[in-house]
Amino acid sequence: DSGVTQTPKHLITATGQRVTLRCSPRSGDLSVYWYQQSLDQGLQFLIQYYNGEERAKGNILERFSAQQFPDLHSELNLSSLELGDSALYFCAASQGVEAFFGQGTRLTVV
Amino acid sequence: DAKTTQPTSMDCAEGRAANLPCNHSTISGNEYVYWYRQIHSQGPQYIIHGLKNNETNEMASLIITEDRKSSTLILPHATLRDTAVYYCIVRPDKIISGNTGKLIFGQGTTLQVKP
Repeated sequence: DSGVTQTPKHLITATGQRVTLRCSPRSGDLSVYWYQQSLDQGLQFLIQYYNGEERAKGNILERFSAQQFPDLHSELNLSSLELGDSALYFCAASQGVEAFFGQGTRLTVV
Repeated sequence: DAKTTQPTSMDCAEGRAANLPCNHSTISGNEYVYWYRQIHSQGPQYIIHGLKNNETNEMASLIITEDRKSSTLILPHATLRDTAVYYCIVRPDKIISGNTGKLIFGQGTTLQVKP
């Protein structure tokens, strides 16, 4: 157990809908990273927040957005969902050296 | 970000050492070498990291060449539970990078440990 918690574990939703994925880091983790892993694909970096501010952006679609709250938990919002958005979404949290990953949210868009 | 090159797949006999190579010829002086692994769709697991000295922890050893252009992750006594995709990543020092330090994953090496 990495100590990084992601909810929900599984999510099934219809095309066109909007969902919110949640990541709760360990105490003291200022950085939160979001990744997408499609079936048989690698881990794609989406976005990073550090102490509430966006710090780095990767291959994140405009339909996706994220934020980090004062208690350092983070949410990834996915809107106008398409079938191709079906994937595992991981968050990772770090105090600066090692990054620890949650167990992911498996999103299925039908 | 410096890129890494790893073999696509490797096999290892259970109980033997698994040596996973990684090339990172464009690594810069402030970049660390990190290793993670992912066991069948679970969240990636941190293994070890290093700058230029060899490192060892309870999971593995990391050997970095003197010119820092390549490294080897060693699992000393591989078990069936070590079957996973292993990722070698270079990542800048957190202070130099302004706390960016994002981990960019390549395709990794699929290690199959066989009985």
